[in-house]
Amino acid sequence: SAVISQKPSRDICQRGTSLTIQCQVDSQVTMMFWYRQQPGQSLTLIATANQGSEATYESGFVIDKFPISRPNLTFSTLTVSNMSPEDSSIYLCSVPGLAVYNEQFFGPGTRLTVL
Amino acid sequence: QQQVKQSPQSLIVQKGGISIINCAYENTAFDYFPWYQQFPGKGPALLIAIRPDVSEKKEGRFTISFNKSAKQFSLHIMDSQPGDSATYFCAASRISDDYKLSFGAGTTVTVRA
Repeated sequence: SAVISQKPSRDICQRGTSLTIQCQVDSQVTMMFWYRQQPGQSLTLIATANQGSEATYESGFVIDKFPISRPNLTFSTLTVSNMSPEDSSIYLCSVPGLAVYNEQFFGPGTRLTVL
Repeated sequence: QQQVKQSPQSLIVQKGGISIINCAYENTAFDYFPWYQQFPGKGPALLIAIRPDVSEKKEGRFTISFNKSAKQFSLHIMDSQPGDSATYFCAASRISDDYKLSFGAGTTVTVRA
């Protein structure tokens, strides 16, 4: 499986500000996924990030709020814009498996608290 | 609308006992059913997965049972250990949807020594 790292691991932010989360993978992958896990809740897919094209957002998530960059096959960023306390969540990136594409492997997550 | 329904929300089992978590789905196009294990402060880790052409898959103490006609699948943790205490998520995906995962609500398992 790929080794995935995320930065920062956690942050506390003021409402109205923005935070950019980085996801780095140790191998080249076509797809990267961004998920949100609200406190005590399950994971919800925010968007799919493909290198060289615009990210595809799921219902309820918009590019203005969660802009995504995918400059190359090993890196992606998710920005949480104009934050409110409701954005307090764990944000996770994931990538498909190299041998078995159905498999998805997750990064350690970024724990965001918005005051 | 949650595509995968998971139960129970939490369970407590004695060391050496069996933990059973159940999931049900509606979309018959799903063709991959993984289970993830998540410890506090960590990302979910892939535990075991099954495809709908198989009724059971076992890896060590973890077994998935799959009932295609009932659109249900379950995770059995045999000989539960305190180190198994974690939150478990079932999920489903399909190749036609770029393997996007739909997750169940999660089950918090506590194994008492």
